[in-house]
Amino acid sequence: EAEVAQSPRYKITEKSQAVAFWCDPISGHATLYWYRQILGQGPELLVQFQDESVVDDSQLPKDRFSAERLKGVDSTLKIQPAELGDSAMYLCASSPTLGSGSTEAFFGQGTRLTVV
Amino acid sequence: AQTVTQSQPEMSVQEAETVTLSCTYDTSESNYYLFWYKQPPSRQMILVIRQEAYKQQNATENRFSVNFQKAAKSFSLKISDSQLGDTAMYFCAFMSSGAGSYQLTFGKGTKLSVIP
Repeated sequence: EAEVAQSPRYKITEKSQAVAFWCDPISGHATLYWYRQILGQGPELLVQFQDESVVDDSQLPKDRFSAERLKGVDSTLKIQPAELGDSAMYLCASSPTLGSGSTEAFFGQGTRLTVV
Repeated sequence: AQTVTQSQPEMSVQEAETVTLSCTYDTSESNYYLFWYKQPPSRQMILVIRQEAYKQQNATENRFSVNFQKAAKSFSLKISDSQLGDTAMYFCAFMSSGAGSYQLTFGKGTKLSVIP
């Protein structure tokens, strides 16, 4: 069964360092989402791609976060510099093309980031 | 902006019994989707059930069913014949199809424990 792949599963980094997360969506899924989930809370959208284009990054802290999906397939989320408050689970999800009639988002296992 | 509220941070149920998780939402839109997602410990989030707002009939998936009250903006999940594998965080989520956004807005979640 096809799955959304994320790496690494766990990351510990010191504050002020750079960190990057990778996501490979289900093959053929044009829409890709990055969510941040603080422990004990629901996920919050950071950025949404349709193919290689950003659809919505209004909640992405652009002074330190960046996201790209250069070829419209896999995606990288970067934080530089990391802050203590960035400690969270970072979830990637994908779904078929927006408006295609399919509304289900498929999630990866996430990357657990701890900033020390 | 849409908001999703889950008023029960934690719940427990005896194995084989029935439990209902509550969710309310706030939106001014008429076309939208509602979801319940399940997040087992250390595993990825998966879709449990989906409801289209234009459908009056409540969605059902095996032991899982919803009570959708559009006027009251209420969307509760009923789990019948609870099993140990149902132990997880459950998130209620809203998706607007207006303006082509197709973004999920999550509640804070309900932690469900099934007791043997």
